[in-house]
Amino acid sequence: IAGITQAPTSQILAAGRRMTLRCTQDMRHNAMYWYRQDLGLGLRLIHYSNTAGTTGKGEVPDGYSVSRANTDDFPLTLASAVPSQTSVYFCASSATSGGFDEQFFGPGTRLTVL
Amino acid sequence: GQNIDQPTEMTATEGAIVQINCTYQTSGFNGLFWYQQHAGEAPTFLSYNVLDGLEEKGRFSSFLSRSKGYSYLLLKELQMKDSASYLCAVRDRNYQLIWGAGTKLIIKP
Repeated sequence: IAGITQAPTSQILAAGRRMTLRCTQDMRHNAMYWYRQDLGLGLRLIHYSNTAGTTGKGEVPDGYSVSRANTDDFPLTLASAVPSQTSVYFCASSATSGGFDEQFFGPGTRLTVL
Repeated sequence: GQNIDQPTEMTATEGAIVQINCTYQTSGFNGLFWYQQHAGEAPTFLSYNVLDGLEEKGRFSSFLSRSKGYSYLLLKELQMKDSASYLCAVRDRNYQLIWGAGTKLIIKP
């Protein structure tokens, strides 16, 4: 693994189903983030984690949950998917949550909820 | 509320210079980032400004004026591969990134 990986690459999901998007980084970064990107809108932060064992809510957390059991993994779960959650989801990480540290992005997961 | 404004789309000619503007209103300021995003791909880091002035990196430069809530990204000697969206993001007082919707840059031969 080099950088950040996400799985699956794309998914079509029936409304009401539960889905977990996976994210793994091998850079030993402390901070990790989940964003959604919709046409015409900027990236919007769903949840974040400044360090393993802690998580926080971003701008649009409703309907999503996360966990950070270790440094490398940061899964995002949709408990009961709805069509408005159709989007491209990006996981990102940075060495720390402050200062200059740039965020590195995974390749994204394209999710369609029908 | 917090707001980042960028033009939706710009067109420029190969070999020319283009300036992409970004204005922001955020609760606090802890730096401004520019990212490049090719269609269907992830954003990648271009530049970071935290103090007023110009930061130059090869063909790309980024300028910041904190008093005006304004930044621009300057791309010189445009190449076809520069066709992409350019995202402006500001780190607010909680150290979260607030993102603009991006500027789609179209390069014509």
